[in-house]
Amino acid sequence: QVQLQQWGAGLLKPSETLSLTCTVYGGPFSGYSWKLIRQPPGKALEWIGEINHRGNTNYNPSLKSRVTISIDTSKNQFSLKLTSVTAADTAVYYCTGGSSGWWSEHWGQGSLVTVSS
Amino acid sequence: DIVMTQSPNSLAVSLGERATINCKSSQSVFYSSNNKNFLAWYQQKPGQPPKLIVYWATTRESGVPDRFSGSGSGTDFTLTISSLQAEDVAMYYCQQYYSSPQTFGLGTKLEI
Repeated sequence: QVQLQQWGAGLLKPSETLSLTCTVYGGPFSGYSWKLIRQPPGKALEWIGEINHRGNTNYNPSLKSRVTISIDTSKNQFSLKLTSVTAADTAVYYCTGGSSGWWSEHWGQGSLVTVSS
Repeated sequence: DIVMTQSPNSLAVSLGERATINCKSSQSVFYSSNNKNFLAWYQQKPGQPPKLIVYWATTRESGVPDRFSGSGSGTDFTLTISSLQAEDVAMYYCQQYYSSPQTFGLGTKLEI
């Protein structure tokens, strides 16, 4: 049973960098695709980007200039960095992934990140 | 980006009755080379992450009750709950993974 645990700072000031780390337990890591998805309060889901075990990445063009997703296969971890955050980046951030590479069959519990001065 | 439009925004259905949620994509998400529609449905209950319920537009995820079914092709899709149970109260989202960036609908709130 694949489980994702995620952690990161919950309160940021504008212009700071959001960092989120996701650890995968209980299942394959290599061969899966890992994604970051966020959900602003009361709003719909937004795909941020994804990475595979080879380190190949794909980002949402709307965030591409500020996003970096990295992977550490030795620790079964992948991470998100989002620079120069603003209030518009306030959201619950989810680590997700699965064997298909297309949909998200496994989800972390979510991390609320609030950007406020 | 492919825009996913869900309807209705909210829906109230009696227990035991059928619930139907629609999703329309701004362009076809059917890929002829594998004869599949690149569309998934998720269920999200308050305070929880989304849960995958259908992929390839019609394939139920393992463990999902068979009262859930997906249908449609091309640009028009439907999620049907044949006999609504109390535990089905949730938000439902469609997602296309045909092209990057993956995009989601705004969701449909299903209530009793």
